[in-house]
Amino acid sequence: DTEVTQTPKHLVMGMTNKKSLKCEQHMGHRAMYWYKQKAKKPPELMFVYSYEKLSINESVPSRFSPECPNSSLLNLHLHALQPEDSALYLCASSHASMNTEAFFGQGTRLTVV
Amino acid sequence: SQQGEEDPQALSIQEGENATMNCSYKTSINNLQWYRQNSGRGLVHLILIRSNEREKHSGRLRVTLDTSKKSSSLLITASRAADTASYFCATDVILETSGSRLTFGEGTQLTVNP
Repeated sequence: DTEVTQTPKHLVMGMTNKKSLKCEQHMGHRAMYWYKQKAKKPPELMFVYSYEKLSINESVPSRFSPECPNSSLLNLHLHALQPEDSALYLCASSHASMNTEAFFGQGTRLTVV
Repeated sequence: SQQGEEDPQALSIQEGENATMNCSYKTSINNLQWYRQNSGRGLVHLILIRSNEREKHSGRLRVTLDTSKKSSSLLITASRAADTASYFCATDVILETSGSRLTFGEGTQLTVNP
């Protein structure tokens, strides 16, 4: 199984809503990532989890709250988002070692209204 | 901040022709990777070249890396309509913790016309 599964595929939420994005992998990867991608732009790193601990937060606003409940799951909790947060949110995973490729999920397309 | 720049931004070729995309970066890297993305969905890893390697092949793909010029190129030979996608280079730096810190270039939109 070389898949990273993200749910939901599409999400529309109001600015006062609370929602969560979910990501799952069963490749035994111990590093997991959240990226944000705006239209026609490259992905930008948000968070890195290494061995279920948050190791990198790229100065992401606190309205985005990541969680790694176990080695296979990664969540991104969303609260009080702004319309400019609308984007494709990509989860990825990799071995926690040097010179290793990342496997990406298909993403969640988020629209904040 | 993004450290990779790619050119061209867009490339349109005929099926059977070769496509070359270039990537430049600014800082020291551990490796450089190329990814493909169809229609704004997930990225697919194509090839990884380490900082001590100069050239790597995988099927119809050829990647070069020049660390002195901080640049890389991706060559797709005998292109097919199915190669139509966005192609991104991504630099990877060594982290104090485990895992990767991929920084993506702006990408090249490749269109292969049948």
